Amino acid sequence: RKEVEQDPGPFNVPEGATVAFNCTYSNSASQSFFWYRQDCRKEPKLLMSVYSSGNEDGRFTAQLNRASQYISLLIRDSKLSDSATYLCVVNPSGAGSYQLTFGKGTKLSVIP
Amino acid sequence: DTEVTQTPKHLVMGMTNKKSLKCEQHMGHRAMYWYKQKAKKPPELMFVYSYEKLSINESVPSRFSPECPNSSLLNLHLHALQPEDSALYLCASSPPAGELFFGEGSRLTVL
Repeated sequence: RKEVEQDPGPFNVPEGATVAFNCTYSNSASQSFFWYRQDCRKEPKLLMSVYSSGNEDGRFTAQLNRASQYISLLIRDSKLSDSATYLCVVNPSGAGSYQLTFGKGTKLSVIP
Repeated sequence: DTEVTQTPKHLVMGMTNKKSLKCEQHMGHRAMYWYKQKAKKPPELMFVYSYEKLSINESVPSRFSPECPNSSLLNLHLHALQPEDSALYLCASSPPAGELFFGEGSRLTVL
């Protein structure tokens, strides 16, 4: 089983739709979880950190399920500008570790 | 606006050239990273410096040579590269076990 796996995509959704991405991780000791967004030919940018209690930022909601070892990202009321690749990033070794693991990314296209 | 600055943004070099990529951050982060990213792939870790010491080298060929002159600067020296080394090279910094802050990247083409 790969360390971090994401929905393969691509996801093509109409404007205004709700879309959800999942990401599973293999190391149960993982401590830190993040969603990054990457536009074409640009650097990845932090979208959200993912906390045990779940967190919400406007139209975006991230959740962590430690029992099933997955994190999710929900985007409500999709905008054209949400079109990007969404990368799941996990720190498998906790505090003091610098070896973050990336998923392969899920491409989202929001269609007019 | 990124707080990690990389130069140059674009670089074209021949296989016999020697060039360097530079990265600077002023967020006080003590971990700095080099990643390589090919098209439609996630970033791939190359090197990690922690407190100015090389702590991770992901079996990167010796034609890539990292250097950390001080806590704010990170260089990647390039020599005798191959065309397959053409990629986006991303520098990042982070607090311990925290999120990565990426620079805009240096897009390298090796002819």
